[in-house]
Amino acid sequence: DTGVSQNPRHKITKRGQNVTFRCDPISEHNRLYWYRQTLGQGPEFLTYFQNEAQLEKSRLLSDRFSAERPKGSFSTLEIQRTEQGDSAMYLCASSLTSGEPGEQYFGPGTRLTVT
Amino acid sequence: EDQVTQSPEALRLQEGESSSLNCSYTVSGLRGLFWYRQDPGKGPEFLFTLYSAGEEKEKERLKATLTKKESFLHITAPKPEDSATYLCALSRTSYDKVIFGPGTSLSVIP
Repeated sequence: DTGVSQNPRHKITKRGQNVTFRCDPISEHNRLYWYRQTLGQGPEFLTYFQNEAQLEKSRLLSDRFSAERPKGSFSTLEIQRTEQGDSAMYLCASSLTSGEPGEQYFGPGTRLTVT
Repeated sequence: EDQVTQSPEALRLQEGESSSLNCSYTVSGLRGLFWYRQDPGKGPEFLFTLYSAGEEKEKERLKATLTKKESFLHITAPKPEDSATYLCALSRTSYDKVIFGPGTSLSVIP
């Protein structure tokens, strides 16, 4: 297994457009997490899945953000009507349910720039 | 509200100059305290899990320790390749989200 992969690695979009990111976790990992990270800050929790069930979503997350994990495999994160404040690195991580929640394996991230 | 803070924000060390990074936390019950390393342009890389006060974990030149309110990451005789941002994080339960601190940016000068 080559680890967690994310696509695209970079995305430039105009304000008001919709964007979708994909995350492929480590194959045997049933937990999947999405984070947002801006310069000089730690990753900020957005949401997480156990298999296909979305167990928690940050209350800071606006309704423009939605995530899915059909069939408990890959996941997508969609941002509708993007705003300049959405510019950030979007990170995906996965872990085993039997492991510690903090022992996560991160992907390389998708850097979003909203112009 | 659960909170994680880290200090200093940035640290410059000469190669071989040992030091410590601090992580302070407030949480209503701690399941685990985690340390990560993050290189520029990459996702964080898991280093350690600490569960209870007094516990210590080591990996090469790094040693992490835990008290009831703080964790320290001690770096002994650092090398330039130790330059990175070090992140502290915690969870309250085995099913809870993980909360990250803002990180300490470490630069080791040859």
